[in-house]
Order: sequence, then structure tokens, then C-alpha cells
Amino acid sequence: DVKVTQSSRYLVKRTGEKVFLECVQDMDHENMFWYRQDPGLGLRLIYFSYDVKMKEKGDIPEGYSVSREKKERFSLILESASTNQTSMYLCASSLTGPPEAFFGQGTRLTVV
Amino acid sequence: AQTVTQSQPEMSVQEAETVTLSCTYDTSESDYYLFWYKQPPSRQMILVIRQEAYKQQNATENRFSVNFQKAAKSFSLKISDSQLGDAAMYFCAYRSATNAGGTSYGKLTFGQGTILTVHP
Repeated sequence: DVKVTQSSRYLVKRTGEKVFLECVQDMDHENMFWYRQDPGLGLRLIYFSYDVKMKEKGDIPEGYSVSREKKERFSLILESASTNQTSMYLCASSLTGPPEAFFGQGTRLTVV
Repeated sequence: AQTVTQSQPEMSVQEAETVTLSCTYDTSESDYYLFWYKQPPSRQMILVIRQEAYKQQNATENRFSVNFQKAAKSFSLKISDSQLGDAAMYFCAYRSATNAGGTSYGKLTFGQGTILTVHP
């Protein structure tokens, strides 16, 4: 089975801190994604990557950056956390051919 | 850009009954995929069912089936013989089937979600 693992289920950070959310997949998928989930808004794409060191902005990239130094790992970085970044963050991965995406268990981030 | 709309924030159903969740989408593309994902309280997103736009036949997976109306851009999910374990948030999602300039490598566009409650 494909496994997508996010480093934390719950995280509490202070305003202004630099925050790293880590995601690892074990199925050699080319594509990896970071989504943000908010009530009433569904999931919105922050950034995605289709290869090592390659990244593309999604729909809401402001305030975030990403890093993909190895194929299996995709990191989301909040350079200076703000309270409006309190949310659920979901990582996903997929192959370019078959359409299914596989998700991690989510990280609920609270910025205080 | 594609959009996906789920107009039912909440739905409820009695155990063993049937419920239908609605989804509409907007796209100018002819080739794409549509999905229903389930997110239980554990937060793990689980793929329920998938539909390829080029297929006229509606997808079915056990108690789950879809009504895909391509011209109307409608993609509803029917859950038959509802079970307590079906209680979850359900998301409708769209994915382009082609890579346009290298910017649609499996990106999903989601609806707002529908919370399904199952009453015993």
C-alpha cells in the first residue's frame, strides 16, 4: 500500500516562528502536493512539485514556500507564521499517469 | 480554471437508507477525471470512487455509485444501504487528464465538502 506520512498530527507555533511541515511518501511518486483545508472552503492547493527541485505555485501560495531535495520528501515552510495560517494541512502524492492521489493523515497547525 | 461546487454543507440519512450527495463543476476541458473522497474523523482521505469523463457508463463500487451527467457538468454520489461507518466529510474533486504546459501534474480541485451524518 502507498503510504504518505506527515511528520506531525498536531502542531502549535507562535506568531513569527518559522515552521516546517514534512511529508514523506514511499511509492516513488513523481508528484507531491500541499493542500490547506478550511471549513466551508474545502481543500485548496498551496504548492506542488512534479520532480526533485521542481515546484509550482498553487492557488494560495502567499506566505508559504516549499522544498523538494529528494523525490520522497516534500516540505512546506511557513517563513513567518501568522494566525491566519491556522488550518489543517494535507500532503498528497501521485503518479503522472494513473489519476489517483494518496493523502497523508493531515497536520492541524495552530498559530498563537 | 476549473471550479467544483458542493451545495449541500450537511446531509443526514437513516441507517440502511439511500442518500445522494450533489456536485457540479465547471471546465472547458473535454478529458478529465472526477472523484469522490471520504474523510472520516481520523482525517485520512479515502478514495471512494472515480469516473473518467470519456466513459459514458457510471462508475460503481459496491454500495457507492455515481450519476455522471457530462453535458450538465454534474457528478452526484449515491450511497445505498447506508452504514454508520459511512459518516464522514465527502469531497468531490476534479483532475485534468492532460498536462497543459506542465502545470497540471495531477492537481486536484476540490469542492467545499458535505458532512454526512448517519442515524441509527
